[in-house]
Amino acid sequence: QQQVKQSPQSLIVQKGGISIINCAYENTAFDYFPWYQQFPGKGPALLIAIRPDVSEKKEGRFTISFNKSAKQFSLHIMDSQPGDSATYFCAASQGSSNTGKLIFGQGTTLQVKP
Amino acid sequence: ETGVTQTPRHLVMGMTNKKSLKCEQHLGHNAMYWYKQSAKKPLELMFVYNFKEQTENNSVPSRFSPECPNSSHLFLHLHTLQPEDSALYLCASSQARIRAYEQYFGPGTRLTVT
Repeated sequence: QQQVKQSPQSLIVQKGGISIINCAYENTAFDYFPWYQQFPGKGPALLIAIRPDVSEKKEGRFTISFNKSAKQFSLHIMDSQPGDSATYFCAASQGSSNTGKLIFGQGTTLQVKP
Repeated sequence: ETGVTQTPRHLVMGMTNKKSLKCEQHLGHNAMYWYKQSAKKPLELMFVYNFKEQTENNSVPSRFSPECPNSSHLFLHLHTLQPEDSALYLCASSQARIRAYEQYFGPGTRLTVT
């Protein structure tokens, strides 16, 4: 119930291609869905976030698509660049509970080849 | 110093040792978090503090003891750890309640228990 399932575990994309990472959840009480990006030796950093009443949110080359009925959401990285090579985590939060408790997916290691 | 800092960055300790991890945030936040990051596993939330009060203990063994003396500092006291406790320990901070899903992470402490 509290899990967030993320796939794929790893992803290799050519420069300029589209990277797609998918997540699914069960708990309908989740009401914020952030994505975090982590480079080696660094802590995760917030990339983009969406609420379930929005079907899509775009920030630069990064887009979240949200399907509330299917309880799925995905991150699309357009025109992927070698500098995007990192580990990406989806997460879910019960923001209305105000505890700050984030449930993370397992992570996807993205490699963008030049 | 800016952002969230953690010391030490690396720690090797025996199973009978006592050590402490330190976290400091320079962002004016009032919520702080400890996470455990192990290979092949999602980030696991350990503890949440809001306005210096512990609001979440995610069934963490008592050999991990957190302390939050003020909104800017967070400690994790370690004693009689097990080898399976070896992991990257991440500290994060956020505004409490409002946008609590927007968490700022430190670089982590890489802990090895021998």
